[in-house]
Amino acid sequence: DTGVSQDPRHKITKRGQNVTFRCDPISEHNRLYWYRQTLGQGPEFLTYFQNEAQLEKSRLLSDRFSAERPKGSFSTLEIQRTEQGDSAMYLCASSLAQGTGANVLTFGAGSRLTVL
Amino acid sequence: AQSVAQPEDQVNVAEGNPLTVKCTYSVSGNPYLFWYVQYPNRGLQFLLKYITGDNLVKGSYGFEAEFNKSQTSFHLKKPSALVSDSALYFCAVRGTGNTPLVFGKGTRLSVIA
Repeated sequence: DTGVSQDPRHKITKRGQNVTFRCDPISEHNRLYWYRQTLGQGPEFLTYFQNEAQLEKSRLLSDRFSAERPKGSFSTLEIQRTEQGDSAMYLCASSLAQGTGANVLTFGAGSRLTVL
Repeated sequence: AQSVAQPEDQVNVAEGNPLTVKCTYSVSGNPYLFWYVQYPNRGLQFLLKYITGDNLVKGSYGFEAEFNKSQTSFHLKKPSALVSDSALYFCAVRGTGNTPLVFGKGTRLSVIA
C-alpha cells in the first residue's frame, strides 16, 4: 500500500474557475477526511466520510464546496467559482472506523491551491 | 466545542538537551489526544496518542507525552533532542463519539547543533 495519495499536488487557477482535487485513501480505511491548512495555521476540518456516506460537514464548507466519495473508495473535493481566500493546502486523510487504529489519521501530502 | 492551544509559536533547543512542546486542550467528556509532526513538503505524520490508560505515552522517534487531566495538558517531550527533530508539531484533540479531530496552530521546533 502506498499510503494516501492526492492529485494534483499543485493547482494554480484564476478567480472564478472551478477546481477538483482527488484523494485515494489507504485501501482498507473506511473513513476519509478533508482538511484545509493555511500558512501559520493548523489543519481545519472540512468534512468526512464513512464509506460513501458524508457524516459531517464543517461550517467552513460553503455551498461552493462539494465533496463526494461515490463508491466508498476515492474521494473528490470540488470548489466552484474559486476566490482568492480559497488559496490553501487541501489535506486528505484516512483511518479505520474501529479497532486500535480507529483514531489515527494517515495524511496525504496535500494539494496546494493558488487562486490568482 | 473542542479546542487546542499551543502557546508557543517557536521552541528553540540545543542538540542533546531535553525538549518540551506544550499543549492544552478543551473538550467535553474524555479526550482523545494526539501529536503529529510535519516536515517541509511532506504530509503530517502521526507521532503518538493518548486514549486511556497510563498517563505517559511513548511514540515514534523517542518522543513521549504526558496526559495531565487536572491541567488539561498533553505536553510533548523528548529527553535528548536531535537536529533532525526540527519540524512543525501539531497537537490535536477529539471528544467521544464521531467528532472530528481538532488541531492546534502548531509549534515550530528548531534544534540547533
